[in-house]
This record gives sequence, C-alpha cells and structure tokens, in this order.
Amino acid sequence: GAVVSQHPSWVICKSGTSVKIECRSLDFQATTMFWYRQFPKQSLMLMATSNEGSKATYEQGVEKDKFLINHASLTLSTLTVTSAHPEDSSFYICSAGAGQKTPQHFGDGTRLSIL
Amino acid sequence: GESVGLHLPTLSVQEGDNSIINCAYSNSASDYFIWYKQESGKGPQFIIDIRSNMDKRQGQRVTVLLNKTVKHLSLQIAATQPGDSAVYFCADGAYSGAGSYQLTFGKGTKLSVIP
Repeated sequence: GAVVSQHPSWVICKSGTSVKIECRSLDFQATTMFWYRQFPKQSLMLMATSNEGSKATYEQGVEKDKFLINHASLTLSTLTVTSAHPEDSSFYICSAGAGQKTPQHFGDGTRLSIL
Repeated sequence: GESVGLHLPTLSVQEGDNSIINCAYSNSASDYFIWYKQESGKGPQFIIDIRSNMDKRQGQRVTVLLNKTVKHLSLQIAATQPGDSAVYFCADGAYSGAGSYQLTFGKGTKLSVIP
C-alpha cells in the first residue's frame, strides 16, 4: 500500500522550455503533497507544500511563479517548471501524505536536465 | 535533521555485522521522527518511524532510538546485508494541524556493505 507514482522519470529539454511533472497517489487519497529538490550527494530540500483544493505554500527562496504547483484532486499534484534554465537541472521528488499524522510516501523522482 | 552539507558521511560495515546510523535534529518542537532509505536514482523509501512519546521502536531487523534530551536519533540495522547499501536519511517533523507532517531532512549517511 501507499504507492506514489511520479512521471516522467527523466526529462531532457532545451533552455526556455516549460516542463510538467506529475505526482499521483495510486492507492490512497493524499490530502497533502510535497515537492522536494535534491542535488547530487545532498539531502532533500522542501520546495513547497500543497493541500488539495488550495494554493501551495512555498518555502523561502522558492519562486512560486517559476515552480507552479497544482493539486486539483486528492490523487494528483503537478509541478511545472516554467521557462527552465540549466540551473534548474536537478532531481525533483514528490511525496504524499494521507493526513492526520501519517508518514510521507515518496515517488521515484524526476531527473530534469536542461541543455 | 540538521541542515544540508556538501559532504555525505559514509559508513562501511561487513556483511552480517550490525550497523548504527546516527542523526541529530535541532527543532525542540519536533514530535515525529522517521528514517528513510534512498537507493541511487530513486525516491526515499520509508523504513521506520517513532513519535516523541517513545524512546525505542523495533521493526524487522531495524530499531530506532530517540533521545529527546540531546535531540538525537539513531537507526540500528541488524545483520546488515548487501541490499542494505544505500543512503539513509533521518527526518523530523512537528505537526501543524493541517494535513501530514512537514519534515526536515538530515544530511544523510551512505551505508556501504562489504560482502
């Protein structure tokens, strides 16, 4: 149980392109979803928290107009990296929680490479 | 956990030996603690969690110890196997009352098992 699917797993695209990453909870309803960024050999850094049906809460230093988050249903959240540049290249990971003091369950991440 | 560094601590153990991975956290208000295992190119995988009203919790081959006085968390893996080789992250969270715990991740420890 508690399976989170993230798609795509790897994206390579040109600078200036916008990229959408999907995060789905397959066997539970996710009241809260989280988006993280991870650089090589480093820990996970929280970018934003989203609750279904409301606007995402972004961490300090994360541009909300750059990283658009939509959490339209209890099983789907999307992260769109708008006008991506090489410095946006990273490993993006989503997680989902069923609320009420439950652990977060993670997707397998999306490796984004901007040329 | 304490915030990100650029150097990932490593721990090498012989197959069959016990492993102990340590973690410090800084938020006195944290009341939920969790260990994740991350294999290369994948998202973190839940191992075990513990709440602040406990100081020890056991799972299958794993034990988590919590010392709230010194804000220290440890993960013990019994009879370490090659499949345990991965990066291990601790995370701590304080329940905000809105959805799942928001977690702060430690820097991670790379466990290498020597056959």
